[in-house]
Amino acid sequence: GAVVSQHPSRVICKSGTSVKIECRSLDFQATTMFWYRQFPKQSLMLMATSNEGSKATYEQGVEKDKFLINHASLTLSTLTVTSAHPEDSSFYICSARVRGTYNEQFFGPGTRLTVL
Amino acid sequence: DAKTTQPNSMESNEEEPVHLPCNHSTISGTDYIHWYLQLPSQGPEYVIHGLTSNVNNRMASLAIAEDRKSSTLILHRATLRDAAVYYCILSLLQGAQKLVFGQGTRLTINP
Repeated sequence: GAVVSQHPSRVICKSGTSVKIECRSLDFQATTMFWYRQFPKQSLMLMATSNEGSKATYEQGVEKDKFLINHASLTLSTLTVTSAHPEDSSFYICSARVRGTYNEQFFGPGTRLTVL
Repeated sequence: DAKTTQPNSMESNEEEPVHLPCNHSTISGTDYIHWYLQLPSQGPEYVIHGLTSNVNNRMASLAIAEDRKSSTLILHRATLRDAAVYYCILSLLQGAQKLVFGQGTRLTINP
């Protein structure tokens, strides 16, 4: 159980276009999902916290108008990278939190974004 | 946010035990200690978590110091598949309950 999927697994786009990444919890309901970004040889950096039915909370330094997050249901959150530029090329990872007495999160396999 | 400190890298031999240390001197009373591992080009995977007492599961053991300012992830018998980056993370039960990743320890297993 507790499987999180992401789609697409990798995407290549031209500079200036927008890219949408989906994160789904397949066998559980996730009231909270998190979006991370990871550059090569670096750790995961939390971008935002997404709660179902409400606006996402962005970490300091993350542009909310550039990284649009929608969490429309208990099993789906989307991250849209708007007007992507080469510096947005990165590995984007989502996680879903299981409601319980401790903060256990399950991570998706990640999406590799390359902006040309 | 409470932070953790881990060695950048460690090396061990196959079939030997591995002890991965983590310091978290600013941990608060209700913070859980989590360990995740990450294989190349994959999302992190949960390994184990604990609060005060030592914990065992099928993957590993977690030894937590009495003052909770440090912990050690123990892999009892390393295999080549255990080569990964291991992250020690404090989960913040107050506020946003988010996981803040540090740099982790890159574990290399020699055959």
